[in-house]
Amino acid sequence: EVQLLESGGDLIQPGGSLRLSCAASGFTSSSYAMSWVRQAPGKGLEWVSVISGSGGTTYYADSVKGRFTISRDNSKNTLYLQMHSLRAEDTAVYYCAKCSGSGGGWFDPWGQGTLVTVSS
Amino acid sequence: DIVMTQSPDSLAVSLGERATINCKSSQSILHSSNNKNYLAWYQQKPGQPPKLLIYWASTRESGVPDRFSGSGSGTDFTLTINSLQAEDVAVYYCQQYYTTLPYTFGQGTKLEI
Repeated sequence: EVQLLESGGDLIQPGGSLRLSCAASGFTSSSYAMSWVRQAPGKGLEWVSVISGSGGTTYYADSVKGRFTISRDNSKNTLYLQMHSLRAEDTAVYYCAKCSGSGGGWFDPWGQGTLVTVSS
Repeated sequence: DIVMTQSPDSLAVSLGERATINCKSSQSILHSSNNKNYLAWYQQKPGQPPKLLIYWASTRESGVPDRFSGSGSGTDFTLTINSLQAEDVAVYYCQQYYTTLPYTFGQGTKLEI
């Protein structure tokens, strides 16, 4: 069974940094792209970033480009999201999701999410 | 960016009746190379992560009840839920994966009994 478990969410002050992790199990990590998707309180889903199975290709939403960095360690079956210069509007539940293919695709499954709150 | 617009924003349907949710993309998400529509549907219940229901616009994910069906092509798509059950109360999202620059979701449709 494929399982994803996020961690690292916290209350952080504006301008601060945070690193999220997503531990994956039940599949060969390098064969699938992985994504981060966030959901602000009471709002809809916003795609944040995707990384290819090999880790060689990454894409970002304009709202986080230059501030967030996605990476993965396939030897540890772990996905990361390094977040810098955090803003109040980055407050959200952050989900990691397995993509359907090595380059992207639909998202299945999703982790349970980790809450990031940016506030002073 | 490909903008995904769902309608309605919310709807109330009686138990046993049919619910229909629409999703429109700002440009075609039908890929000519494989004649596939790059559209997925998700269900999100309160306090839970989204769950994949449909991909390629009409292929039901394994384990999803057959009362859920997807249709449409090009820019106009529909999620239909037949014989509505109480457990179908959720927010439903469409998503295009035609392009990663960026992937985009519809705003969501809240389904109530």
